[in-house]
Amino acid sequence: RKEVEQDPGPFNVPEGATVAFNCTYSNSASQSFFWYRQDCRKEPKLLMSVYSSGNEDGRFTAQLNRASQYISLLIRDSKLSDSATYLCVVGGLTGTASKLTFGTGTRLQVTL
Amino acid sequence: NAGVTQTPKFQVLKTGQSMTLQCAQDMNHEYMSWYRQDPGMGLRLIHYSVGAGITDQGEVPNGYNVSRSTTEDFPLRLLSAAPSQTSVYFCASSYSSTGEGNTIYFGEGSWLTVV
Repeated sequence: RKEVEQDPGPFNVPEGATVAFNCTYSNSASQSFFWYRQDCRKEPKLLMSVYSSGNEDGRFTAQLNRASQYISLLIRDSKLSDSATYLCVVGGLTGTASKLTFGTGTRLQVTL
Repeated sequence: NAGVTQTPKFQVLKTGQSMTLQCAQDMNHEYMSWYRQDPGMGLRLIHYSVGAGITDQGEVPNGYNVSRSTTEDFPLRLLSAAPSQTSVYFCASSYSSTGEGNTIYFGEGSWLTVV
């Protein structure tokens, strides 16, 4: 089992739709969680951190479920500019080393 | 407002050649790292550094060397390029390695092809 798993998609949704991505992680000791956005042939950029209480930033809502070991990202009122790959990132301790593990990403395509 | 500067953006190498990917950051971050990104694999950690003079191996270190003589610079050296090293390479820096609320800043990427 991969340490961080995501559905690769693509998710094709019309403009204005609501879309949700899930990500599961295998290390129960994981301590930090993030969603990054990566545009085609560009570097990843932080979209939002994910906190235990859940957090919202405009049209984006992220939630963490530690018991089931998954995080989610909800995008409301999708825009064409939301088209990108969304990377789930999990941080934690492995032995004595702190480590970030990236999912392979979920591709979103928003269409007219 | 440079952030993380990574060069070159594109490079073609012949098998067996060596080269260095340069990375510099101006945010006074202690933690720097190099990743490679391959289709279907996600970003994989090659080497990382928690401060000047300190480096350690990541998940896929073979065939690569790094050094951290200053806080700002973290070059990645390919010792003898192989076709399996064809990939996109990203340098990254952050205040710490994994902490909650910590933002990782990536360079724009280096597209490397080994023929």
